[in-house]
Amino acid sequence: DGGITQSPKYLFRKEGQNVTLSCEQNLNHDAMYWYRQDPGQGLRLIYYSQIVNDFQKGDIAEGYSVSREKKESFPLTVTSAQKNPTAFYLCASSINPTGGYGYTFGSGTRLTVV
Amino acid sequence: GENVGLHLPTLSVQEGDNSIINCAYSNSASDYFIWYKQESGKGPQFIIDIRSNMDKRQGQRVTVLLNKTVKHLSLQIAATQPGDSAVYFCAEKSGNEKLTFGTGTRLTIIP
Repeated sequence: DGGITQSPKYLFRKEGQNVTLSCEQNLNHDAMYWYRQDPGQGLRLIYYSQIVNDFQKGDIAEGYSVSREKKESFPLTVTSAQKNPTAFYLCASSINPTGGYGYTFGSGTRLTVV
Repeated sequence: GENVGLHLPTLSVQEGDNSIINCAYSNSASDYFIWYKQESGKGPQFIIDIRSNMDKRQGQRVTVLLNKTVKHLSLQIAATQPGDSAVYFCAEKSGNEKLTFGTGTRLTIIP
């Protein structure tokens, strides 16, 4: 079955730590995205990548970093510079960024600062 | 900037009744629209989409209506079931742009 897999499902971070959230897809999609979702809120775009070895900042990129070394993988690092990282993080992919198609989402990672 | 929004943040519907979730958008150039369903603690799931050259599209128990004149999108769910309880998001895009998501409407089905 093709899909998009996020891990871990739950992640706890201590103050001052960097943590990395994994996102892997076997859909052969070109574009991948990271969103942040706070309780009762919509989706806010952190970073996106339209092609391997290239990515762009979204609306709330400060305190986050990404890499796109492989088509299948788009990991997100939440750095210590992100002052309020507790949230639900969603990864998504699409066939290509220009086509009229929707996104396929992963099941999310819930990050909590302890 | 342009954005997508929802009229109602919450909606409660009796099981078996039909529900209608509304979405207003302001980008007149938007040419593709999607509805997603998000259950608690899960990622959004695709429900149905529609392109701007259509005004209605039907799926299994769901219908999406697009009124470009007033820039309004709606999702109709027929004969609602307990499993329909979730947050529903509309999203839109224009040409090569990324999807823009609305805030969401929480639908609660009353047994």
